[in-house]
Amino acid sequence: DIQMTQSPSSVSGSVGDRVTITCRASQDISSWLAWYQQKPGKAPKLLLYGASTLQSGVPSRFSGRGSGTDFTLTINSLQSEDFATYYCQQADSFPLTFGGGTKVEIK
Amino acid sequence: QVQLQQSGPGLVKPSQTLSLTCAISGDSVSSNSAAWNWIRQSPSRGLEWLGRTYYDSKWYFNYAEFVKSRITINPDTSKNHFSLQLKSVTPEDTAVYYCAKVTASWFDSWGQGFLVTVSS
Repeated sequence: DIQMTQSPSSVSGSVGDRVTITCRASQDISSWLAWYQQKPGKAPKLLLYGASTLQSGVPSRFSGRGSGTDFTLTINSLQSEDFATYYCQQADSFPLTFGGGTKVEIK
Repeated sequence: QVQLQQSGPGLVKPSQTLSLTCAISGDSVSSNSAAWNWIRQSPSRGLEWLGRTYYDSKWYFNYAEFVKSRITINPDTSKNHFSLQLKSVTPEDTAVYYCAKVTASWFDSWGQGFLVTVSS
C-alpha cells in the first residue's frame, strides 16, 4: 500500500497569513494526488486534484504543487472559513489511501 | 448536483453485521462514468477507503485487503442506491462511515457521514 505522510500535523495562523502543508507519498504517484478540506462534523470536500487543478467553485487562494512523491498545498491569505483539517489522498493505485491530516488552527 | 443520503442503524453488536445504504439523487448507480465507494473515519485509524463498485458493461467490485473477507458492496438499480455490509464487526469497526462518488479518480461527492458504534 502507498503510505501518505502529511506534515505538520497542525499549524496555526492568523487571517491573512500564508500556510503551506506538505504531503509525501511512499512511492512515485506522478500527479495522482488530491487535497480535501474537512470541517468538524462534515464530510471532506474536494479542493484540488491532479496535484494542482482547482475543483470548480474553490477559491483561487488555494493552490497545489508537486509530482512524484512530494506535494504541497498552499493557502494564500487565510480566511476565517479556511480553519479546518486538510487531507491528501493518492489515486495512483489501490487501495486508495489518505494522509493523516493537517489541522489549520487560529493563532 | 449529486446528493448522497446515508441511512442505517447507528449501533451494532459485536460479531453482527453492519449494514448501511447510500441513496443517490442526481446521478445513476449504473452510470458508466462514476464509481461508488465506502470510506470510514476514526480517530485511531484516520480515513480508510473500504471498497467500491462501478458499472462498465457489467458490475465490478474492489475491496481493501484488510476488510476483503468481511465486506460486500451491493448496487441496487431499482432503488438507485448502493449498500455496505460488514460482517463480524468488532469495536475497532466503530467509525463514521461515508459513501462517496468518484468521478475521474477523485472523491467529488460525499454522503453526510454516519456514525456506527459497535458495542454490546
